[in-house]
Formats: sequence, C-alpha cells, structure tokens
Amino acid sequence: RKEVEQDPGPFNVPEGATVAFNCTYSNSASQSFFWYRQDCRKEPKLLMSVYSSGNEDGRFTAQLNRASQYISLLIRDSKLSDSATYLCVVNGDSNYQLIWGAGTKLIIKP
Amino acid sequence: DAGITQSPRHKVTETGTPVTLRCHQTENHRYMYWYRQDPGHGLRLIHYSYGVKDTDKGEVSDGYSVSRSKTEDFLLTLESATSSQTSVYFCAIGPTTSGANVLTFGAGSRLTVL
Repeated sequence: RKEVEQDPGPFNVPEGATVAFNCTYSNSASQSFFWYRQDCRKEPKLLMSVYSSGNEDGRFTAQLNRASQYISLLIRDSKLSDSATYLCVVNGDSNYQLIWGAGTKLIIKP
Repeated sequence: DAGITQSPRHKVTETGTPVTLRCHQTENHRYMYWYRQDPGHGLRLIHYSYGVKDTDKGEVSDGYSVSRSKTEDFLLTLESATSSQTSVYFCAIGPTTSGANVLTFGAGSRLTVL
C-alpha cells in the first residue's frame, strides 16, 4: 500500500460544477497536510494547508478526517483555470519528510 | 515569487556521462531539496540540505550526490547517468512564511538519458 494514495483521474467536470476528491494516508502520526496544485509541465505550487478543523479559501475547502485517515479537497463553481493536477502531501516520520501523492488530474470543460 | 532558478531546464545526455543540475536561490533559505517526479509516482526526495556543507539522503539517493558550498547554490550530480534517471528534477526551498513544511519549487529540469 502506498503511503499517500490519490485517484489519478482524470476527473472531467463541466464548468460551474462542484468537484471533490480525497487522498488517503497510512501514517496515523502525520500532523501536517497540504494540497498543492501543478499545472502541466510546471512546478507544484501550494494551494492550501489543511487544518484539523477544516478550512476554506474562496471556492476551495479542505477537510481532514483523522479517524479514516484521509484529506479531501472540494472545489465549488469550478473554472476552466482550475484544470490542473492536485497533489496531496502529508508529513512522514520526521519533520523534513514529506510524502507526496501521485496527484489527481482535473479537467474542467466549458 | 521566491527567487529560485534551476539550470539547465532541459538536457539530453547519454548513458554513462556525468550530469550536474544546479539550483540557485536568492531567498537565503536554510533548507534546500532535490526531488524527482515520474509518472505514477509522487515527488520523491533525492537529497536535501540543511545548511552549507550539511546534506543528507532522501528516499531515492542511490546514483546521486549533492554539494552545497554556498547558501544560495545546491548542486545535484549524477556521476554516471542511467536511463532510469530520466525524469523531471525539481529543486525546492523552505520553510516559507506559509509554514514550516511548505516548500517553494523551481521550474524543474527535464533530463533525458539515452
């Protein structure tokens, strides 16, 4: 089992729709959780950190479920510009160690 | 955006040749990282540095070495490139003002080993 697992997709979603995807992690001791966004042939960029109580940034909402060991990302009112690969990141056993999921590809269609 | 540049951005080389990738930052960050990204895999840490001349191995360090003689430069060397090292290599710096575990990445170096 991979330490961080994501559905690779692609998720094909019409513009304006709501889309959500999850990421499961195996280390119950993990404390730091993030979503990064990566455009095609570009570098990953931080989208948002994920806090225990859940957090929202505009159209994006991140949730953490410690009991089931997954984090989720919800995108409301999706835009064409949201098309990208979304990477889930979880810290490992030590502070410097970040474990990266392989990403979920999202395609927003007009 | 953070000042982090990678060079070269693209390189094609032959098996057995040495290759050096350079990461340069202007942010004075203590920590610098080299990752590789391959289809179907998450980013995998090759080596990282926590200060000048202070480096340590990541999860996929075999076949790679690094050096950091100045705060701003972190070099990744493939002593004798193999086809399995064909990949996109990303340098990253951290921590950032967004958090201790948040990284800022360079634009990547695409390496093809024939």
